[in-house]
Amino acid sequence: GQQVMQIPQYQHVQEGEDFTTYCNSSTTLSNIQWYKQRPGGHPVFLIQLVKSGEVKKQKRLTFQFGEAKKNSSLHITATQTTDVGTYFCAVATSGTYKYIFGTGTRLKVLA
Amino acid sequence: NAGVTQTPKFRILKIGQSMTLQCTQDMNHNYMYWYRQDPGMGLKLIYYSVGAGITDKGEVPNGYNVSRSTTEDFPLRLELAAPSQTSVYFCASRGGLRTSPNYGYTFGSGTRLTVV
Repeated sequence: GQQVMQIPQYQHVQEGEDFTTYCNSSTTLSNIQWYKQRPGGHPVFLIQLVKSGEVKKQKRLTFQFGEAKKNSSLHITATQTTDVGTYFCAVATSGTYKYIFGTGTRLKVLA
Repeated sequence: NAGVTQTPKFRILKIGQSMTLQCTQDMNHNYMYWYRQDPGMGLKLIYYSVGAGITDKGEVPNGYNVSRSTTEDFPLRLELAAPSQTSVYFCASRGGLRTSPNYGYTFGSGTRLTVV
């Protein structure tokens, strides 16, 4: 079945450093979503990417969808303590409305 | 606008007991989902629904049942609770077109369930 791998599993950064998480699929994706979950909280939708090679920005966050639509990345510039949490990608299984979540990348920001 | 509301927030069950986790949304979304999240792990899809009267299994449906009699409500039933069902359960809903930039899930705040 559909498998989605996220790397790294954990990342500790000093405040002000950059951070990137990657999401890789074994199959071509129709779209990909990114979520953030704060410790003890629920996932919150950040963005959806649909087009091959698409790049979208939200303030310090940059999202990219690979040309082959098999991978995606989330980059945070100059991390802040408010960026702490787990970042998940989610992909739709082909022809269905089910979204499978990646394993997540847990980000810790050291002040 | 309440979004997705889950009750209860916390529950302790004994092995073999049953319970229903409630989920309701007020956004008129067609699609609703139940996920479980074990400590430090990702989300696993239990069941989902594309509209009232229509449900289907996700990745980990064993030990659970759902129903969708209205657009708003999507309860999750646990029969004969087992320790392996200790987890945080999230309900989510989604609306809009598949290619819409706002096609993401809205999650409830979760139910933390412990089976002892």
